This record gives sequence, C-alpha cells and structure tokens, in this order.
Amino acid sequence: QVTLQQSGPGLVKPSQSLSLTCAIAGDSVSSSTVSWNWIRQSPSRGLEWLGRTYYRSATSKWYFDSSVSVRGRISITPDTFKNQFSLQLTSVTPDDTAMYYCARHIAAFDFWGQGTLVTVSS
Amino acid sequence: SYVLTQPSSVSVAPGQTATITCEGNNIASKSVHWYQQKPGQAPKHFDDDRPSEIPERISASKSGNTATLTISRVEAGDEADYFCQVWDSTSDHYVFGSGTKVTVL
Repeated sequence: QVTLQQSGPGLVKPSQSLSLTCAIAGDSVSSSTVSWNWIRQSPSRGLEWLGRTYYRSATSKWYFDSSVSVRGRISITPDTFKNQFSLQLTSVTPDDTAMYYCARHIAAFDFWGQGTLVTVSS
Repeated sequence: SYVLTQPSSVSVAPGQTATITCEGNNIASKSVHWYQQKPGQAPKHFDDDRPSEIPERISASKSGNTATLTISRVEAGDEADYFCQVWDSTSDHYVFGSGTKVTVL
C-alpha cells in the first residue's frame, strides 16, 4: 500500500514562494514505472495538474514537465535519500490560493496525499 | 488546450440510475479515468485493476465525443463530486473535467 504524506506551510505572502513536500511510503521516488505529480484544486480553477517529475532507468535521467499555466514559476524536485519530492512555486499571488495535492501516476492518479490548503495573503 | 465539459450537478433518487457525462473532442480515442471526491477528502480513482474496490453498480463507457459514468441503484453513499480525466498528447498535459456533483434526493 502506497501512502503520500504532505507537509508545508498553509499561509504564504504574495510575491513569495510556496514550498510543499510529499513523503512517499510503499514505493520509491526513483521507480521507473510511475511519475510523481502535484495537482491543485480551487473553486475558480477546479482540479488543475501543475507538473510532474519522474525517473527512467533506461536513460538514467530525471524528467520534469509542467503545465503552461505555471511554467517558469514551478519546480518539482525529487529527493532520493528521503524518498520524497517537493513543489516550489515562486512569485505567488492570491490566485494561487488552493488545496494542493501530491499524487502518484501509473496509468491514472492512483494514490493521493491528504492535501494542503495554501492561502496566499499578506 | 483540450477541454473536458461535465454537467455541474446531477440529482437522483435512491435506487435510480445516475448518468454523468464528460464531453471532449474525440474523447473515445483517449483513456478516460474517473475519480470520486467526498467532502474533505482527496479524489479517489475508480481502478479497473482493483475491481473489489469498485461497486459493480458503477460502469464507464465512451463513444465519439462523450464518456459516461453510470451509477446504478444509487445509494446515499454515492453522493460526491465526480471528475473525468485524460492525457492530452497535443499539449502534454493531464486534463480534468469541471466536475459533477451528484446529489441523492
């Protein structure tokens, strides 16, 4: 059974950076068959995929994709020692206020973190 | 960008059938995934590989521009938001539908 445990602050000031971490149990962040994703949900945007990171042993490389909606502001970084991955979103505005989820993807988003409500406010 | 359109709400009496549609351009050519989300919880995927976790009352189909999730013999516990999701290969994005709130009368 895979579990994803999210951590990080729930309040971020405008123009600052949002940082969240997702700790993985029951799988490896270096698995070659899955990707590790961040998704957010708000009343105005609904469910919005933000980006993913994944490792492929065939090339021995890490990959990173992101949504055009946050491209240039987002990074998703794996930590193989702690078996976790992190989201950083820079230059946040109140429009980035949302529930943020981490999720594993293998054919579909099959395991999700518990969610972190992040409010952008001064 | 690829857009998935769902009705905002569906109301159904207990024991009846709820039909949730998800419209997208040529959606039948894509793998469509469905998620159930109850208040205060993360979305949960209906996984064909774990049939023991999916009530046999729930089935999915697709044709042309419409994918459909059907919940037969609706129960109070089926009250939730339901989302469809696909991978858009044109934009390399995962796309979610707008979500449908199922209310059991």
